[in-house]
Amino acid sequence: AQKVTQAQTEISVVEKEDVTLDCVYETRDTTYYLFWYKQPPSGELVFLIRRNSFDEQNEISGRYSWNFQKSTSSFNFTITASQVVDSAVYFCALRAWDMRFGAGTRLTVKP
Amino acid sequence: EAQVTQNPRYLITVTGKKLTVTCSQNMNHEYMSWYRQDPGLGLRQIYYSMNVEVTDKGDVPEGYKVSRKEKRNFPLILESPSPNQTSLYFCASSFDAGIQETQYFGPGTRLLVL
Repeated sequence: AQKVTQAQTEISVVEKEDVTLDCVYETRDTTYYLFWYKQPPSGELVFLIRRNSFDEQNEISGRYSWNFQKSTSSFNFTITASQVVDSAVYFCALRAWDMRFGAGTRLTVKP
Repeated sequence: EAQVTQNPRYLITVTGKKLTVTCSQNMNHEYMSWYRQDPGLGLRQIYYSMNVEVTDKGDVPEGYKVSRKEKRNFPLILESPSPNQTSLYFCASSFDAGIQETQYFGPGTRLLVL
């Protein structure tokens, strides 16, 4: 069975703080893909990153970074120096065969 | 402009009245998918399609049908809607499912079944 767990339902930070969103996944497949999506208050879903199971290299994109660790089945997302515009619901997702999303983490960044 | 369109955006209906939500993409994508979003549950995949005439069940297919007769269109059909199908529905498309996957999502269809 495939499963994605985002244990943090809501996180609130003050602008410029760093924040990490946790994602833990379960799958028996050896080939799989992990994703992060952002859903701002306007409601659209925006792709942020894709990682395949054979590539554990961490990635940085501006203020965003992702830490993929197969040993702990985790794919965590860190926002450095958070901004109000980062306020959104963030979803972690797993594809081995079909697509499974976590329940999402609502991030609120206060000025 | 590359996009995924869904219609209608909002729909109120009654139990048992068949309805169709259309989805169309203009990016020549092979892969298309339907999701429903419910509070506290995230997005759950209903059906997906790897290509024309190829569809498969996702996590929550009960009560839904789909078809993929053309590459660009992937309608979602509720033959006999029930109140537990009240939800926010998203259609998505991608070049493929996996190594090049970047799902583009439609704007969503908010459905209320009375």
